[in-house]
Amino acid sequence: DTGVSQDPRHKITKRGQNVTFRCDPISEHNRLYWYRQTLGQGPEFLTYFQNEAQLEKSRLLSDRFSAERPKGSFSTLEIQRTEQGDSAMYLCASSLVLQVGGYTFGSGTRLTVV
Amino acid sequence: EDQVTQSPEALRLQEGESSSLNCSYTVSGLRGLFWYRQDPGKGPEFLFTLYSAGEEKEKERLKATLTKKESFLHITAPKPEDSATYLCAVQTQNTGNQFYFGTGTSLTVIP
Repeated sequence: DTGVSQDPRHKITKRGQNVTFRCDPISEHNRLYWYRQTLGQGPEFLTYFQNEAQLEKSRLLSDRFSAERPKGSFSTLEIQRTEQGDSAMYLCASSLVLQVGGYTFGSGTRLTVV
Repeated sequence: EDQVTQSPEALRLQEGESSSLNCSYTVSGLRGLFWYRQDPGKGPEFLFTLYSAGEEKEKERLKATLTKKESFLHITAPKPEDSATYLCAVQTQNTGNQFYFGTGTSLTVIP
C-alpha cells in the first residue's frame, strides 16, 4: 500500500479559474477527509466522507467548493472562481470507521492563486 | 468554544538538549488528543493518540503525556532529524469526527 496519494502536488492558477484536486485514500479506508492549511497555521477541517456519503461540511466551505467521492473510492475537491484567499495547502486524509489513532494524511496539493 | 494552544511557537535546541513542547486545551468532552509531525511541504505524520489523563505513549526519543488540561511532547536527546513542526489536535464531543488542530511548534535541532 502506498499510502494516501494526492494529485497534483502543486497547482498555480489565475484568479477566477476553476481547479480540481484528486485524492486516492488507502484502499481499505472507508473514511476520507479534506483539510486546508495556510502558512503558519494548523490544518482546518473542510469536509469528510464515509464511503460515498458526504457526512460533514465545515462552515469554511463556501459554495464555490464542492467535493465528491463517487463509488466510495477516490475523491475530488473542486474550487470554482478561485480567489487569492484560496491559496493554501489542501490535505487529504483517510481512516477506517473504527480506527484507533489518527488519520493518515497525504502530502497535499499546494495551490497558488495569482 | 473548543480551544487548542501550542507553545512555544518555535524552539531551537542543541543536539542532545532535551526539552518539552506544550499543548493546552479547553474543550467540551475530549475524545482524543493526537500528536503529528510535519516536515516542510509534506502532510502531517501521525505520532501518538492519548485518550485519558495520566496516559503516556513513547516512540524512540519522543514521549507524550496527557493531563486534564494539557499534553506534553517530551523530546529526549534530540537529533537534527527531529527538526520539524509538531502539531497537536483534539477530537471532542463538539468536533465529531473532525480534528481541531493547534498552530504547531516549529522545532530546530542544531548539530
